[in-house]
Amino acid sequence: GAVVSQHPSRVICKSGTSVKIECRSLDFQATTMFWYRQFPKQSLMLMATSNEGSKATYEQGVEKDKFLINHASLTLSTLTVTSAHPEDSSFYICSARWNEKLFFGSGTQLSVL
Amino acid sequence: SQKIEQNSEALNIQEGKTATLTCNYTNYSPAYLQWYRQDPGRGPVFLLLIRENEKEKRKERLKVTFDTTLKQSLFHITASQPADSATYLCALDSGTYKYIFGTGTRLKVLA
Repeated sequence: GAVVSQHPSRVICKSGTSVKIECRSLDFQATTMFWYRQFPKQSLMLMATSNEGSKATYEQGVEKDKFLINHASLTLSTLTVTSAHPEDSSFYICSARWNEKLFFGSGTQLSVL
Repeated sequence: SQKIEQNSEALNIQEGKTATLTCNYTNYSPAYLQWYRQDPGRGPVFLLLIRENEKEKRKERLKVTFDTTLKQSLFHITASQPADSATYLCALDSGTYKYIFGTGTRLKVLA
């Protein structure tokens, strides 16, 4: 089956620092990956679509300079939360599409102090 | 724009009973609809996909129906077990290979 690995699972950082989250497809090539954000008891909110070898496509209202996405290879996409602030604290999840289905990473809980 | 509605109220059922969860969408009927399971602090896990020309799909104790006239999908878990307790999400392709998700329904199976 398709496996997506996401690291780290949890990160605590000080306000103003940058945090990088990695998302890897382990047994398939993912030309497209998706980054979601989820608040407690709420649905997944699509932030951006990451395309291998090209710029990411951001959803309306998502700051591209705040959430930097890099998809340098067919198996790796990274999300960098730059100059993080407490309001950026959330659960971030990546996914990759394979055979019409989405396979998700285990998520990253970001807490900004 | 397409919207998905799931009953956000938690559903509590007794072990052994059948759980039925509802997913309604508002606009065009998608080519297929999917169900995912999400446990607390984890990413969703794919369960079932049903196409618009399929009325019903089964996988072990799981059954999904798809009614394009009602714009509704029902998700059933038969012989439910406490281990089935989780949040179940309905998802569909918004038309550009971007998936939108419902808020999910929390299911709790009581022993």
